[in-house]
Amino acid sequence: AQKITQTQPGMFVQEKEAVTLDCTYDTSDQSYGLFWYKQPSSGEMIFLIYQGSYDEQNATEGRYSLNFQKARKSANLVISASQLGDSAMYFCAMREIHDSARQLTFGSGTQLTVLP
Amino acid sequence: DAGITQSPRHKVTETGTPVTLRCHQTENHRYMYWYRQDPGHGLRLIHYSYGVKDTDKGEVSDGYSVSRSKTEDFLLTLESATSSQTSVYFCAISEGRGGLNEQFFGPGTRLTVL
Repeated sequence: AQKITQTQPGMFVQEKEAVTLDCTYDTSDQSYGLFWYKQPSSGEMIFLIYQGSYDEQNATEGRYSLNFQKARKSANLVISASQLGDSAMYFCAMREIHDSARQLTFGSGTQLTVLP
Repeated sequence: DAGITQSPRHKVTETGTPVTLRCHQTENHRYMYWYRQDPGHGLRLIHYSYGVKDTDKGEVSDGYSVSRSKTEDFLLTLESATSSQTSVYFCAISEGRGGLNEQFFGPGTRLTVL
């Protein structure tokens, strides 16, 4: 089974509007972390936001927030007031505490296009 | 920005030739990773290292080997490159001291195997 599922291959949003990028995950661990990365067309991977499984509050970083619904195993990224520079590929990823490699397992990504 | 460099940044090679990609960090992080990125697959782990001379396999390790003789360097070798290894390769580092630290990524290496 896929550990990280991103069901939206592509999304469009109008500039200055908010957009939600979906991510669901699958794990039997009680302790895990969820990450979002941005990959612009230049190719680098940029860390955006992190949510720990025991964090009671949803994580926020500037215009980024993570809508964490533990019972539904979802960790959606919300970008408020979209900007043209937000156009990029966005990846959701998970790390499980039992994993001695401390590796990240990535979803297949969502290509976000912000329209002027 | 985390100090991670990858070399070369671009390489074109022929099937059957050996290829070595280098990742260099200046952060003294314990964990280092090699991922490959292909359309529709996100990033997949090839190999990782949890210390000097300590390495292990990831999800897609067949056809790849790694070495880490110094904390700062992590080498990925394709012993005999195949066209299926055409991909973008990312190195990443993590402190891994406990907790769920984020990984910092290098700029990537685009490899084309003809």
